[in-house]
Order: sequence, then C-alpha cells, then structure tokens
Amino acid sequence: DTAVSQTPKYLVTQMGNDKSIKCEQNLGHDTMYWYKQDSKKFLKIMFSYNNKELIINETVPNRFSPKSPDKAHLNLHINSLELGDSAVYFCASSQEGFNEQFFGPGTRLTVL
Amino acid sequence: GQQLNQSPQSMFIQEGEDVSMNCTSSSIFNTWLWYKQDPGEGPVLLIALYKAGELTSNGRLTAQFGITRKDSFLNISASIPSDVGIYFCAGFTNTGNQFYFGTGTSLTVIP
Repeated sequence: DTAVSQTPKYLVTQMGNDKSIKCEQNLGHDTMYWYKQDSKKFLKIMFSYNNKELIINETVPNRFSPKSPDKAHLNLHINSLELGDSAVYFCASSQEGFNEQFFGPGTRLTVL
Repeated sequence: GQQLNQSPQSMFIQEGEDVSMNCTSSSIFNTWLWYKQDPGEGPVLLIALYKAGELTSNGRLTAQFGITRKDSFLNISASIPSDVGIYFCAGFTNTGNQFYFGTGTSLTVIP
C-alpha cells in the first residue's frame, strides 16, 4: 500500500490554465505539506497544514492554494499557471510537526 | 531566507569507498534530518537527529548532530551502486517553526 500518493504523476498544461494536484496519505498523520522542487533540485516548502493551522511560506504566490477536504487529503490548486511554475511538486505528511516526513512520488508539472 | 549549505555538491566515488558529506547553517537548529532521493521519486528519510552531539546509525549510514547545532554530518561506509542518488539534509528550528532543506549532495558510485 502506498503511504503517500499523488495524482497525476505528470501534468502538462498551457499558460493561464487552472489545475489541481491531489494528495492522499493513509498513515493517519495529522500534518500534510506541499513542496516545490525546481530544476536545480532545490526543495522548498510551500505549505504545511493540520486541522488547526495552515502555515504558508510567504514567498508562495497567492495563485497557489491548498485545500483539505479531510485529514487524509491535501490538494494543491494553482490558478493562472505561469511558465515559472514548471517544477516537481511533492506532497508529504508527518505525525506531528516537521519531523520525519513521508513524501509522495511527486508530480512533474510542465507549463507550456 | 535561511539556507542550509551542503558540501560537496557532487561526488563520484568507487564502489566500496566511504563517503562523507556535511550540512551547515548560519543559525541553530533543534532537529536535523537526512533524506535520500532516487531519480523520479520523493525523498526518503534516512536518519533523524534530535540532540546536539547525537550520533545515530542506520545500517552503513551514520549521522551526527553537530555540537554547535549549526551543522550535521552524514557518512556512508563501503558504498554500493544502490547508494546513488541525491542526499539532502533538513533542519527544523522551534524559533518561528521553520523548516528548510539543504542544497543537496549528488552521489555517483562507480562499480
């Protein structure tokens, strides 16, 4: 069973479109995260979310928004996609806080 | 913003050799973590360190939480081809609840 899963694995879309990436974890963890990995492999946290608090990295454009229908899911919505949004996006989860996060397989987003 | 600098940036070694890499920051961290990322996959946690001076092993991997709390080290003994990948350190600080990944060390093992 996959602990943290993401769909789709690959996403190719045109500039200006709106898209979503889904994330599900079956670990019973309380906190979920979204990360962006650029072409130089730098990993940067975008959001962390538990049922009490959403923490947003201040550098993330407000075109990006996380939505959590329940504790096991944290989806990433992106509006008005730009070329610079092309990257690999990883979802992760942990029991509590930032320690010992488990990562999903990533979604490679390409904006044309 | 905060940056965790890893060195070396990349390594090419012969199978069987030992590997050492480190991670440094300009400020103190409460937790250090080491992850490995295989191509096309997400990072996988290798070792977690919670106390200054702590030395923890996981098989052929050993990591240490630096005494100054501003650095951490990862050693891999007797490298094998499947050790290939990118190794990331990550640090968490209670001050402001901040979490950062390092710049990564790319490891290539030549059989």
